[in-house]
Amino acid sequence: AQTVTQSQPEMSVQEAETVTLSCTYDTSESNYYLFWYKQPPSRQMILVIRQEAYKQQNATENRFSVNFQKAAKSFSLKISDSQLGDTAMYFCAFWTSGSRLTFGEGTQLTVNP
Amino acid sequence: DAGVIQSPRHEVTEMGQEVTLRCKPISGHNSLFWYRQTMMRGLELLIYFNNNVPIDDSGMPEDRFSAKMPNASFSTLKIQPSEPRDSAVYFCASSLGRRQETQYFGPGTRLLVL
Repeated sequence: AQTVTQSQPEMSVQEAETVTLSCTYDTSESNYYLFWYKQPPSRQMILVIRQEAYKQQNATENRFSVNFQKAAKSFSLKISDSQLGDTAMYFCAFWTSGSRLTFGEGTQLTVNP
Repeated sequence: DAGVIQSPRHEVTEMGQEVTLRCKPISGHNSLFWYRQTMMRGLELLIYFNNNVPIDDSGMPEDRFSAKMPNASFSTLKIQPSEPRDSAVYFCASSLGRRQETQYFGPGTRLLVL
């Protein structure tokens, strides 16, 4: 079974600064997908970014980028130019064929003005 | 395009009452998922449909829970009778065909059972 670990329950950052959220996972599969979802106070789960394991290039979506280290089974999320609206719970998630989407326990990010 | 639509957004009911949650997936998506989120257990997959057929319902907590997908654009999750421990946020998500890995979530239904 796959596991996803987010070792930082809470983080904070000043507005306009950069923050990195950590995620590690464990799997014996070679082909899989990794995701970061954002859950603001509204509780909506919003897909932030997606990475396919067979792609070496790190995914980027505007101010959000990932550092995917397949050998180390690490998938961190970098948020540049943090904004107040980035305040949310961030979940790392893993999927491989034939399995469920597996979520980490989440990291609560607070962006301070 | 509209995202996943869920209704109601909030539901407050009394123990023993029947609760029905509704979901409309993104048009063209053929996989639909129901999740429950609580502080204690995090996000749990309850049931997964593919092409309107239930594929994995092993996460359904007990017989009080049932889910249906009568057509490609509508699904329900029913709790009968409801209990206070069912209080949670219930999410519906959908994904497209071969890209089942990318799930798009609805806004959720906050259920409070008194």
